[in-house]
Amino acid sequence: QVQLVESGGGVVQPGRSLRLSCAASGFVFSSHGMHWVRQAPGKGLEWVAVIWFDGSKKYYVDSVKGRFTISRDNFNEMLYLQMDNLRVEDTAVYYCGRSAPSGVDSWGQGTLVTVSS
Amino acid sequence: EIVLTQSPGTLSLSPGERATLSCKASQSVTSTYLSWFQQRPGQAPRLLIYGASRRATGIPDRFSGSGFGTDYILSISRLEPEDFAVYYCQQYDSSPYTFGQGTKVEIK
Repeated sequence: QVQLVESGGGVVQPGRSLRLSCAASGFVFSSHGMHWVRQAPGKGLEWVAVIWFDGSKKYYVDSVKGRFTISRDNFNEMLYLQMDNLRVEDTAVYYCGRSAPSGVDSWGQGTLVTVSS
Repeated sequence: EIVLTQSPGTLSLSPGERATLSCKASQSVTSTYLSWFQQRPGQAPRLLIYGASRRATGIPDRFSGSGFGTDYILSISRLEPEDFAVYYCQQYDSSPYTFGQGTKVEIK
């Protein structure tokens, strides 16, 4: 079955960097686009970024443009989110999700990023 | 950016009752690209409805979706105890692929 496992979260100071990873299994990773979605504590879902199945296109929410970079390694079935110049407002649980014609049809369990001095 | 506005913010109902949740878009969304998710406390979201009206795999038929253009509805015909949760709509018609702010369905 589809499995997505995020890692790399933690506590980081404002202005620092962090890289999140998402290990995929149970499906043909190279055939699917992938998303990052975040959820601040006690708040709703916020879509962050998407990458096409082959990495050819990437889109971001305005609040992370120029600071976050989504990437993938199809050989090793990994998705990444490089987060630079982190801000307090980036504090959230970050989920990776599989893209399908039906939308985001599978989700990981999330990894918590806390940006605090 | 397409803004999705969900209403009501909170819906207080009893098990067995019908729930009707609204999602209104600031501009027209192709219905093919409108989804609904359920999120229970401490869990990841789960896809319920895609293409505005198609149930995802394993979703009970008490869940149904409808709508087109700027107005979409999620209905739960008879609430079961496990249905008390937060529900989000999302559009993936154009980037950024925005979510609504959510509707909490709570036990009355």
